[in-house]
Amino acid sequence: DQQVKQNSPSLSVQEGRISILNCDYTNSMFDYFLWYKKYPAEGPTFLISISSIKDKNEDGRFTVFLNKSAKHLSLHIVPSQPGDSAVYFCAATDNAGNMLTFGGGTRLMVKP
Amino acid sequence: DTGVSQDPRHKITKRGQNVTFRCDPISEHNRLYWYRQTLGQGPEFLTYFQNEAQLEKSRLLSDRFSAERPKGSFSTLEIQRTEQGDSAMYLCASSWDRSSTIGYTFGSGTRLTVV
Repeated sequence: DQQVKQNSPSLSVQEGRISILNCDYTNSMFDYFLWYKKYPAEGPTFLISISSIKDKNEDGRFTVFLNKSAKHLSLHIVPSQPGDSAVYFCAATDNAGNMLTFGGGTRLMVKP
Repeated sequence: DTGVSQDPRHKITKRGQNVTFRCDPISEHNRLYWYRQTLGQGPEFLTYFQNEAQLEKSRLLSDRFSAERPKGSFSTLEIQRTEQGDSAMYLCASSWDRSSTIGYTFGSGTRLTVV
């Protein structure tokens, strides 16, 4: 039972354009959502997060949108850069915050 | 502080052998987590400690797995009688309490290959 799903295993985008990565969840108890970026041979690195009381959070080129009614969140990267090429994981946690539930990841390739 | 350190980075072992991994968290973090990641999947929660107390264990953590965090500092994860299905990346992370606003800090992981 996958509680967090990333349905696109890969995404290819031209440098300078927008990258949109999507994530769906099923557990209504989730109230905090995070995006991690992972390069090969490294651990995941925290990127940006959003609380369920918000519908948007922005940090530089990265914006996360949350649609609670649809149980959907997305990460927008504008403009995309070749250094953004990595695997992106969506994760969620409940109010206790004791564990993160991750999606399967989306591999983003930004072409120069 | 150099972040979360994991040792070894790679481990190849024969089926049936025991292996032990070590994790050194960020020194001021009181929570420590173990996750497992298999190829093409996201990390899956195994267990977590608050200081030296192991507070939650996943059903993925069979009785062949044991984790300790003596004195609330470093942690070890031992797998007894390894099986080929144990081959995965084992990730350690640490945080200060929930730290939901900034997320966990992960180490680079220990890649286990059981042959």
